[in-house]
Amino acid sequence: NAGVTQTPKFRVLKTGQSMTLLCAQDMNHEYMYWYRQDPGMGLRLIHYSVGEGTTAKGEVPDGYNVSRLKKQNFLLGLESAAPSQTSVYFCASSPRGLQQPQHFGDGTRLSIL
Amino acid sequence: AQSVTQLDSHVSVSEGTPVLLRCNYSSSYSPSLFWYVQHPNKGLQLLLKYTSAATLVKGINGFEAEFKKSETSFHLTKPSAHMSDAAEYFCVAPLIRDAGKSTFGDGTTLTVKP
Repeated sequence: NAGVTQTPKFRVLKTGQSMTLLCAQDMNHEYMYWYRQDPGMGLRLIHYSVGEGTTAKGEVPDGYNVSRLKKQNFLLGLESAAPSQTSVYFCASSPRGLQQPQHFGDGTRLSIL
Repeated sequence: AQSVTQLDSHVSVSEGTPVLLRCNYSSSYSPSLFWYVQHPNKGLQLLLKYTSAATLVKGINGFEAEFKKSETSFHLTKPSAHMSDAAEYFCVAPLIRDAGKSTFGDGTTLTVKP
């Protein structure tokens, strides 16, 4: 019963470094999402995907790139990390359809020094 | 535009007393609506969902919500709060014209006093 698994759980980076956050789901869901959560700002959508090989921008896409080469994986990349990207990142997945809820991972806590 | 508004950013109750977390939505037609709970250092977990089958929806852990079209509300209630209910709660609506995306409320932090 893994559900949505995020790797890593914690990471500290220096400004300018790059890294990739991995999200894996084992529920055969079509849709996948990356959010960031900051104090007082709720959840904000970074990028999302409605199927393998497709990606789309959310509310706050600048500074991030994503790829969905396999249906079960959704990767979030930071090419040149900035302190403003310090946040908690959540991945979620859902089946296709308006009545389908999203299933969330437990988050990746990222600090950029 | 479709949106949800959580009317309280913080709610504090005593253990054993009722809980009411308020959510209003705006839409030109009946939407799907969800309530999620987020415990500290965890992801969001689905509490319950409304999908037009019934206006009173029962969820996990004794929570329920009533969809009221005339009031455009979907308030979350629980008859008796437990210490373990302390968490942040989000009201969420899928966007009808933007497949795959949802609009999230800003969240309500529930504190339960012993």
